[in-house]
Amino acid sequence: AQTVTQSQPEMSVQEAETVTLSCTYDTSESNYYLFWYKQPPSRQMILVIRQEAYKQQNATENRFSVNFQKAAKSFSLKISDSQLGDTAMYFCAFMKQRGAQKLVFGQGTRLTINP
Amino acid sequence: NAGVMQNPRHLVRRRGQEARLRCSPMKGHSHVYWYRQLPEEGLKFMVYLQKENIIDESGMPKERFSAEFPKEGPSILRIQQVVRGDSAAYFCASSPLKNPNTEAFFGQGTRLTVV
Repeated sequence: AQTVTQSQPEMSVQEAETVTLSCTYDTSESNYYLFWYKQPPSRQMILVIRQEAYKQQNATENRFSVNFQKAAKSFSLKISDSQLGDTAMYFCAFMKQRGAQKLVFGQGTRLTINP
Repeated sequence: NAGVMQNPRHLVRRRGQEARLRCSPMKGHSHVYWYRQLPEEGLKFMVYLQKENIIDESGMPKERFSAEFPKEGPSILRIQQVVRGDSAAYFCASSPLKNPNTEAFFGQGTRLTVV
């Protein structure tokens, strides 16, 4: 079974700073997908970024980028120039490439951006 | 194109009552996933359905919980004889095909409170 671990329950940074959220996972699969989801107080789950395991290049979406280390089974999220609207719970998630498209989530990191 | 619609947003039930949670997937989506989020935890997979079929219910408790996705109408997650431990946010996600390249879209969730 796959597991996803987020070791930082809470983080807090000042607006405009850069912050990195950690995620490690365990799997015997060789092909899979990794995701970061954002959950603001509204509870809506919003996809932030996705990484295909077969791609060596790290995914980037505007201010959001990942550091994907497949051998180390590590998938961290970097938020540059953080904004107040980035305040939310962030969940790392894993999905096998084959089989049902179900997500395995980590416990989450509560990120607060301070003005 | 409306997103994934879940209703009700909030549901209060007394212990022993039944809870019915509804999920209307995005137009054109034929795959539905239900997840449960306990307080301060990540989402946990419960069940994966296609129209008129349960594909994977490995995350669903064996007793009191059932799910369906009829040919017409929304997907229903049904919890019989609710207990306090069922209090959680229940999320539905939908996708158009069994294709991991396609993002699964989440609804805003139903917060169930058992009193």
